[in-house]
Amino acid sequence: AQTVTQSQPEMSVQEAETVTLSCTYDTSENNYYLFWYKQPPSRQMILVIRQEAYKQQNATENRFSVNFQKAAKSFSLKISDSQLGDTAMYFCAFTSASFKLTFGKGTLLTVNP
Amino acid sequence: DVKVTQSSRYLVKRTGEKVFLECVQDMDHENMFWYRQDPGLGLRLIYFSYDVKMKEKGDIPEGYSVSREKKERFSLILESASTNQTSMYLCASITSGIRNEQFFGPGTRLTVL
Repeated sequence: AQTVTQSQPEMSVQEAETVTLSCTYDTSENNYYLFWYKQPPSRQMILVIRQEAYKQQNATENRFSVNFQKAAKSFSLKISDSQLGDTAMYFCAFTSASFKLTFGKGTLLTVNP
Repeated sequence: DVKVTQSSRYLVKRTGEKVFLECVQDMDHENMFWYRQDPGLGLRLIYFSYDVKMKEKGDIPEGYSVSREKKERFSLILESASTNQTSMYLCASITSGIRNEQFFGPGTRLTVL
């Protein structure tokens, strides 16, 4: 069974600074997808970024980027130029042969003014 | 934009009551999910459905059942609510394909007294 581990229950960062959220996973699959989802205080979960395991290039979406280390089974999220609106719970998620997602327990990120 | 709606944002029920949580999506997605979200535990899959009248158990199906009579609607049923089912319930939908993102509803905060 796949597992996803987020070792940082809470983090904080000053506005305009950079922060990195950690995620590790365990799988025997070779083809899979990894996702970061964001859940702001209003509770609607939205996708931040996704990474295909077969792609070596790290995914980037504006201020959000990932550091995907397949051999180490690590998938961290970097947020550059943090904004107050980035305050949210962030979930790392994994999927392989099906569309079912396995989620980590989440990291609560607070961006301070 | 894809929209996933849930019938209630907040719900208070008494122990032993039968509870229905409704979820509707407007993008003709084949697959729908019910998750439970608890602090420190992340999202856990209760049930999912990959077609009308088709359902499969997730990781924590005990005490729950589901119904999918129409493609756009997926209902979660608590046959006899208990206090340990107090939680946030999230519905999601996705079209087939593992690289695709799941779209989430706003959540229902259920309190069982």
